[in-house]
Amino acid sequence: EIVLTQSPGTLSLSPGERATLSCRASQSVSSSYLAWYQQKPGQAPRLLIYGASSRATGIPDRFSGSGSGTDFTLTISRLEPEDFAVYYCQQYGSSPPSITFGQGTRLEIK
Amino acid sequence: QVQLQESGPGLVKPSETLSLTCAVSGYSISSGYYWGWIRQPPGKGLEWIGSIYHSGSTYYNPSLKSRVTISVDTSKNQFSLKLSSVTAADTAVYYCARLKLGWFDPWGQGTLVTVSS
Repeated sequence: EIVLTQSPGTLSLSPGERATLSCRASQSVSSSYLAWYQQKPGQAPRLLIYGASSRATGIPDRFSGSGSGTDFTLTISRLEPEDFAVYYCQQYGSSPPSITFGQGTRLEIK
Repeated sequence: QVQLQESGPGLVKPSETLSLTCAVSGYSISSGYYWGWIRQPPGKGLEWIGSIYHSGSTYYNPSLKSRVTISVDTSKNQFSLKLSSVTAADTAVYYCARLKLGWFDPWGQGTLVTVSS
């Protein structure tokens, strides 16, 4: 099973600052199958990024994803008040089919 | 647009079987894609439970495989989850979602299931 480790566990920043969230895999992940989600309290997760770097429909361009192999990054260029939430990375492996999530990074207002 | 809605008992007794259904609207399950269940214990992270194709083909999280059954009813455009021999550790918000290639989108709103006597 591929284990995804997200860092940091908590990130404290101010609106307008840049956020960089990391997701490291225990073995190589196909870039096609790495996704990022945002979850706010009491809500279901929302897809932000798929295929490591493609923004989902309706996601602002301040969100960007990058990386390959075992190291992936979610960057929020200029934080808006509504961006403070928990972020999860997720991978899909096809042989055998399996899906794992990272443990999450909490982005909080400083 | 595609919408998913979970339903089922909010309270299940220990050792019994948890049963949930996910109704899909705005898209025919028979048209394709896998569909999945994910859970989130209170205050914790996300855990994938398993996924199913409209044909009935399934794959499960190895850590839950012995207790999980996911089925699909294309005539009702819904799919279901059964988790047997539940304990307090199975208390969680259970989400259903469409698995579009390798990512989940969209998600249902989630339903809290508490395991308690």
